[in-house]
Amino acid sequence: KAGVTQTPRYLIKTRGQQVTLSCSPISGHRSVSWYQQTPGQGLQFLFEYFSETQRNKGNFPGRFSGRQFSNSRSEMNVSTLELGDSALYLCASSGTGGPTGELFFGEGSRLTVL
Amino acid sequence: QKEVEQNSGPLSVPEGAIASLNCTYSDRGSQSFFWYRQYSGKSPELIMSIYSNGDKEDGRFTAQLNKASQYVSLLIRDSQPSDSATYLCAVNIVDSSYKLIFGSGTRLLVRP
Repeated sequence: KAGVTQTPRYLIKTRGQQVTLSCSPISGHRSVSWYQQTPGQGLQFLFEYFSETQRNKGNFPGRFSGRQFSNSRSEMNVSTLELGDSALYLCASSGTGGPTGELFFGEGSRLTVL
Repeated sequence: QKEVEQNSGPLSVPEGAIASLNCTYSDRGSQSFFWYRQYSGKSPELIMSIYSNGDKEDGRFTAQLNKASQYVSLLIRDSQPSDSATYLCAVNIVDSSYKLIFGSGTRLLVRP
């Protein structure tokens, strides 16, 4: 069974640009969560989607957005990039429709903003 | 106050010893608790979940939950150098069920 796939794995952008990250969950999983990981802040929750609906959102500015498609694949977008957006962005899928807990993480997309 | 707190470490133990990792959480109504392990340069992986007060054992790992004290711990028996990693405590906050909150993690170093 294939794991969670995230693309691209690495990317470099400049301030003011925008970026789109993609996540394909484990086959059959309908819940997708996104996290930002930085050395200083640890794992910070961005948002969670289930059946194309955002069920919860973290405390991030509106520049951070996401969506989920009917095949459960998800994308997140960051507009007007800032230096502080440099981080590892992790996507995780879950096989349950209930409260989140047992997450399977992808390898992440490492974003560097210059 | 952070929602989930862990000592950042590093916690250094000799090979074969018991490593004890601790976590406290602020939301008294939380129901689900998890331990994830993250090796350097890798993504987190789930190693234990616990939902009821008491102990839950899985191989060399034991998770302990005390809801009255809002305290979760992870014991690793017969620690091995391969256990050296960052251990993340995660809690499902009751009024935001579809959001798993992670602690900042405790770095464990097992000395050969």
